[in-house]
Amino acid sequence: AQTVTQSQPEMSVQEAETVTLSCTYDTSENNYYLFWYKQPPSRQMILVIRQEAYKQQNATENRFSVNFQKAAKSFSLKISDSQLGDTAMYFCAFMANAGNMLTFGGGTRLMVKP
Amino acid sequence: ETGVTQTPRHLVMGMTNKKSLKCEQHLGHNAMYWYKQSAKKPLELMFVYSLEERVENNSVPSRFSPECPNSSHLFLHLHTLQPEDSALYLCASSQEAGSGNTIYFGEGSWLTVV
Repeated sequence: AQTVTQSQPEMSVQEAETVTLSCTYDTSENNYYLFWYKQPPSRQMILVIRQEAYKQQNATENRFSVNFQKAAKSFSLKISDSQLGDTAMYFCAFMANAGNMLTFGGGTRLMVKP
Repeated sequence: ETGVTQTPRHLVMGMTNKKSLKCEQHLGHNAMYWYKQSAKKPLELMFVYSLEERVENNSVPSRFSPECPNSSHLFLHLHTLQPEDSALYLCASSQEAGSGNTIYFGEGSWLTVV
């Protein structure tokens, strides 16, 4: 079974600054996918970024980028130039290539302060 | 605007009631999911459907009964629920089940069991 751990229950950052959210996972699989989802107060889970484990290059989406360290089983999310609209819960998630299940971490509540 | 629509957004029901949650996806996907999000636990996968066939049932009590009449619609029938079943129920879809396909979520249905 896979587990996903987010060790920071809450974080805050000043507007325009950079923040990094941590995520570690445990798996015996070699082929898998990692995701970061954002859940704003509206409660809809919105995909932020997706990483394929077989790709060494870190995924980026505009102000969002990841630091994927496969050997360390670490998948952190960096948000640059933080905006007030980035305030949300952020969930790290894992999916094995052979499975149907998206396994989520416990989430990190991010507050962007003006 | 989301490609996955859930109704109702809020539902209050007694323990002896029978109600249903409805989900519709407008993305042309073949797989649909029910997830449960409660206050003190990470998101939990409940059911997975692929081309209207249930492919995963994650040890969910029988008081939750899913139905997938076609690839665009998914229901969760509820009967004789317990107060601990109060949670946010998230419907989701993906192009195919598993294999790293990105999962897209609806805005959720808030369920309160009294």
